[in-house]
Amino acid sequence: DTGVSQNPRHKITKRGQNVTFRCDPISEHNRLYWYRQTLGQGPEFLTYFQNEAQLEKSRLLSDRFSAERPKGSFSTLEIQRTEQGDSAMYLCASSLGGSSNSPLHFGNGTRLTVT
Amino acid sequence: AQSVTQLDSQVPVFEEAPVELRCNYSSSVSVYLFWYVQYPNQGLQLLLKYLSGSTLVKGINGFEAEFNKSQTSFHLRKPSVHISDTAEYFCAVSDGGTASKLTFGTGTRLQVTL
Repeated sequence: DTGVSQNPRHKITKRGQNVTFRCDPISEHNRLYWYRQTLGQGPEFLTYFQNEAQLEKSRLLSDRFSAERPKGSFSTLEIQRTEQGDSAMYLCASSLGGSSNSPLHFGNGTRLTVT
Repeated sequence: AQSVTQLDSQVPVFEEAPVELRCNYSSSVSVYLFWYVQYPNQGLQLLLKYLSGSTLVKGINGFEAEFNKSQTSFHLRKPSVHISDTAEYFCAVSDGGTASKLTFGTGTRLQVTL
């Protein structure tokens, strides 16, 4: 168990550029979540996958955001035409199964700075 | 809809002193409750969780929390803190639905000093 891995750790981009983040969950975990955390706030739910199916998206996930998990393993989160308000820590988490008996395991996050 | 309130944004405490971090929740259904800790530039680590059964839950690093349904609270306690406990602590609630997604509070910064 190597934990949840996120890359890159930091990303600085100019407003209007596209960025893509990657998350590798714990290998046997079938559920994968994306959260966003802004300074001084708790993480906010963005979306989650069960295997390759994206089952729920938050209203926070505007049409500039897209997430995929093509083979039910790693996931990518893309932000198009970035805005300064997108600056945040993007956290990925994974879990086994659908019950709350299976806690979420978080990665160390990708910190995005939009200048 | 669920929500979590952590009234204290910062809690300063001396090493070896006891500490309590407060958490209140609001939900129209039965809930599962969690405490996570976040060290600088890291992700969140689960400290403890309440799913059902005993209202006193023990977690890692000597922390414990008590679920109080009538007061809708889930306060986190430690009888004697260490410098290494300095971190951000988040209370979270889940409705236990199929998504198992968490709603987090805004966090409490625990600052332990000598």
